[in-house]
Amino acid sequence: AQSVTQLDSQVPVFEEAPVELRCNYSSSVSVYLFWYVQYPNQGLQLLLKYLSGSTLVKGINGFEAEFNKSQTSFHLRKPSVHISDTAEYFCAVRPNTGNQFYFGTGTSLTVIP
Amino acid sequence: GAGVSQSPRYKVTKRGQDVTLRCDPISSHATLYWYQQALGQGPEFLTYFNYEAQPDKSGLPSDRFSAERPEGSISTLTIQRTEQRDSAMYRCASSLLAGKNNEQFFGPGTRLTVL
Repeated sequence: AQSVTQLDSQVPVFEEAPVELRCNYSSSVSVYLFWYVQYPNQGLQLLLKYLSGSTLVKGINGFEAEFNKSQTSFHLRKPSVHISDTAEYFCAVRPNTGNQFYFGTGTSLTVIP
Repeated sequence: GAGVSQSPRYKVTKRGQDVTLRCDPISSHATLYWYQQALGQGPEFLTYFNYEAQPDKSGLPSDRFSAERPEGSISTLTIQRTEQRDSAMYRCASSLLAGKNNEQFFGPGTRLTVL
């Protein structure tokens, strides 16, 4: 079975400050890892994904994430946030043996001017 | 189409009524997914299609839920005899193909409220 844990439901951060959104997962098989962003009244949009290779993955809008297999984590980071980054962020995993995605409960990022 | 579209965007119904939600995926996409997202939760997988085939419907919560994609493009999700616990955002996503490189493109969702 697979599960995804996003420990922080809400993260407030000042503009231009760095941010880290945490994601941990558990799985009995190897997984692919994803981060999605949801802006208000819009659908989820892919930020970045880890399939294989380098454990540091760069995505859109200056975000990056690092896959840590030993800690089963895939934390999302940005060195300097903007007001426009205010949104809901979802971590997701997909087992390499299937086509089903498992999402975390989401982290609401609020960037304060 | 340019993106995934869903209709209606909002649906309010009375308990016991049937509802049908529609998803129109990106035209070249073979794979289509349905998710249910309760308030404060992440999307939960319901079912998916490869063209018109439905290989996995393990996430459907009860036999009141069914989905179709008869011609391998537009899909509908039907909930019979709705209950208040069915109130949620229903999201559809499509991808070019099933497989590890399948980026899912999500629609805006249908917010269902069962009174």
